[in-house]
Amino acid sequence: NAGVTQTPKFQVLKTGQSMTLQCAQDMNHNSMYWYRQDPGMGLRLIYYSASEGTTDKGEVPNGYNVSRLNKREFSLRLESAAPSQTSVYFCASSEAVGSQETQYFGPGTRLLVL
Amino acid sequence: QKEVEQDPGPLSVPEGAIVSLNCTYSNSAFQYFMWYRQYSRKGPELLMYTYSSGNKEDGRFTAQVDKSSKYISLFIRDSQPSDSATYLCAMKTGANNLFFGTGTRLTVIP
Repeated sequence: NAGVTQTPKFQVLKTGQSMTLQCAQDMNHNSMYWYRQDPGMGLRLIYYSASEGTTDKGEVPNGYNVSRLNKREFSLRLESAAPSQTSVYFCASSEAVGSQETQYFGPGTRLLVL
Repeated sequence: QKEVEQDPGPLSVPEGAIVSLNCTYSNSAFQYFMWYRQYSRKGPELLMYTYSSGNKEDGRFTAQVDKSSKYISLFIRDSQPSDSATYLCAMKTGANNLFFGTGTRLTVIP
């Protein structure tokens, strides 16, 4: 059981370049999320998708776009990368069991924008 | 002011010590409180999940929530070197979105 997988693991971009971060989950979860993690800032939500076909902005959506391709896959796109987008990006998916909802995280993508 | 405040540490303790990790928050609508553990260069994993005020125990770990003080704690008894990680508190209202603390880095020295 792979859980949540992310590709690539590491990427270096030049300012202005574009790229797409890929995320897939095999747990049949409806909800998926993209976070960024920066020192001193903690995890901040970029976008989320409560179900296939829907996406919503989180706390820090500027400079990003997302696509919920199907129930398994949720991608994050940087159209024109900026040094401020240097961060570690985590994808997560969640399920609710009774009143408890657990988010499961992928291993992360480390992005460096020069 | 951030919605969730957490002392970043770092915190170093000898093996076998009791560890206390804490978070404060400002949004009184938070009802669900979590602690995640994150090993270096890995994604966070859920450690404890509590609803509203009270205590929850799971092995060596105890989570406490005091909604009147807007304060949550995680206690680790008989700490082990394998507990060395960053611990993140997280909380939410009834909606999906989680709000995280910045994390406290813990090192347990053998």
